[in-house]
Amino acid sequence: DVKVTQSSRYLVKRTGEKVFLECVQDMDHENMFWYRQDPGLGLRLIYFSYDVKMKEKGDIPEGYSVSREKKERFSLILESASTNQTSMYLCASSQPLGTDPEAFFGQGTRLTVV
Amino acid sequence: SQQGEEDPQALSIQEGENATMNCSYKTSINNLQWYRQNSGRGLVHLILIRSNEREKHSGRLRVTLDTSKKSSSLLITASRAADTASYFCATEDQGGKLIFGQGTELSVKP
Repeated sequence: DVKVTQSSRYLVKRTGEKVFLECVQDMDHENMFWYRQDPGLGLRLIYFSYDVKMKEKGDIPEGYSVSREKKERFSLILESASTNQTSMYLCASSQPLGTDPEAFFGQGTRLTVV
Repeated sequence: SQQGEEDPQALSIQEGENATMNCSYKTSINNLQWYRQNSGRGLVHLILIRSNEREKHSGRLRVTLDTSKKSSSLLITASRAADTASYFCATEDQGGKLIFGQGTELSVKP
């Protein structure tokens, strides 16, 4: 079974802290994604990575950065956490176009910034 | 924003009835996918339809795609209480980026 694992299920951080959210997948997928999910807004793409060290901004990259040093790991970094970054964060991975492109999701990290 | 739209935002039906959800998107796509999310969990893939397909079936699910109108619909037939969840459409563009709609919250009452 494909597994996408996010490092924490629940996280509470203080305003101004640097926060790392980690995501690991075990299917050798090329693509990895970070989304945030807020009520009424659905899933919004923060960043997308299509290969090691390659990344593209999504719809809402402001206040976030990412790192993909190894194929299986994609990290989301909140440089200086703010209360408006309180949200559910979802990581996903998928194969590239032309193969079987369904995305597999982690269980989500509910981040609260106080 | 590239995000598509889904309607209705919420749908409440009785067990045994059919549920139809619609999705509209903005850009050209490689495929369109539907996902389900149970409360507080990650998303699970349901069905994929490619841009050159018009209709696809999987069990009680039926998906249609109209690329000229940039829209898709998901039909769940003979719904069950266990189908209660949020349903999202997602479009994959030529670059592999996966963009989700805002979702439809389905409630199936026993």
